[in-house]
Amino acid sequence: QQQVKQSPQSLIVQKGGISIINCAYENTAFDYFPWYQQFPGKGPALLIAIRPDVSEKKEGRFTISFNKSAKQFSLHIMDSQPGDSATYFCAAFSSGGSYIPTFGRGTSLIVHP
Amino acid sequence: EADIYQTPRYLVIGTGKKITLECSQTMGHDKMYWYQQDPGMELHLIHYSYGVNSTEKGDLSSESTVSRIRTEHFPLTLESARPSHTSQYLCASSASRGYGYTFGSGTRLTVV
Repeated sequence: QQQVKQSPQSLIVQKGGISIINCAYENTAFDYFPWYQQFPGKGPALLIAIRPDVSEKKEGRFTISFNKSAKQFSLHIMDSQPGDSATYFCAAFSSGGSYIPTFGRGTSLIVHP
Repeated sequence: EADIYQTPRYLVIGTGKKITLECSQTMGHDKMYWYQQDPGMELHLIHYSYGVNSTEKGDLSSESTVSRIRTEHFPLTLESARPSHTSQYLCASSASRGYGYTFGSGTRLTVV
């Protein structure tokens, strides 16, 4: 049973466009939702994260939107750049559990120049 | 600088060989993890440890084994490598109670 469903699996965007990746979760005990960015040959690195007490968090061109009632959160990349081409993973943690994250299956983003 | 290190970065070995993938972290994290990942694909947790002398199997069945004798060191061993073990192996660590999760750069293993 996949507890965090991520879509789309792959995404192609033109330079300057908006990239949107969505995740949905089932476990209401999750209380921390990070996004990780992974470049080829590297491990995933934390990009941005949100807690369920806020509906949006913005860091530069990256924004997380969070909808607690729908149990969904999304990553928006504004003004997408070729350097943003990477695989993006959403994740969810529960402080009442083991603090081991549940990851989405990943989205491969390609930004064309 | 606090970090997590994996060696080797790339490894090509023959079928039946025993190998150990190394992972060390200098952040003093109690928890450490091993993930298996095919290129650009889903992360599969194969082993984790809560601390010294603690090891647990993850969600994905794996023929590998791990040990945790020192806090900073979490090696993964394959007793007899097979082509099906060809994959990328990522090590990660985190504090006992916290969301900070740091990955190493991975070991790309090819078994021929």
